[in-house]
Amino acid sequence: EIVMTHSPATLSVSPGERVTLSCRASQSASSNLAWYQQKPGQAPRLLIYGASTRATGIPDRFSGSGSGTEFTLTISSLQSEDFAVYYCQQYNYWWTFGQGTKVEIK
Amino acid sequence: QVRLVQSGGGVVQPGRSVRLSCAASGFPFSNYVMQWVRQAPGKGLEWVAAIYSDGNNKYYADSVEGRFTISRDNSKNTLSLQMNSLRGEDTAIYYCARDVAGYFDFWGQGTLVTVSS
Repeated sequence: EIVMTHSPATLSVSPGERVTLSCRASQSASSNLAWYQQKPGQAPRLLIYGASTRATGIPDRFSGSGSGTEFTLTISSLQSEDFAVYYCQQYNYWWTFGQGTKVEIK
Repeated sequence: QVRLVQSGGGVVQPGRSVRLSCAASGFPFSNYVMQWVRQAPGKGLEWVAAIYSDGNNKYYADSVEGRFTISRDNSKNTLSLQMNSLRGEDTAIYYCARDVAGYFDFWGQGTLVTVSS
């Protein structure tokens, strides 16, 4: 099983700030990495797939990078609607999610 | 538009069974791998089971192998999860999701299963 680890677990940020979330895989996930956003009481929403491709309708302030075992999700200027939990998921070998990073208001 | 509408769930006693359903519309259901993902209260996402488009290839997380059965009816555009021998640690919101080359682009609304006596 490929274990996905997020860092940090929680990030306190002010609106307008640039945010960088990290996700590490215990073994190579190649570029088979997706990012999801989840708000309270809602299903997860796909943001990024293929490590760096934005899903349909996702604003360009969201960007993804990385390959192999190190991945990053960047939000260039945090908006109020971006406060949420973010999960990475590898699909290189079966499917596993990280434990998530909570982005909260500072 | 793509829709995944879930039903089933509720409160069930330990050791008993429950069946979840996911009705798909707005896309050619039989062409897609479908998934179940769960989320325990206050916890992260956990992959549960996958079924390939023809229904013959199925995969399960170790935590549910032998107790849960994923199935699909391509004639009715329906995905199911039969959950047997339920345990307290199975308490979670269960989501169905459409798989596109490994990532999940559309999700159902989720259904809560609570295992409690």
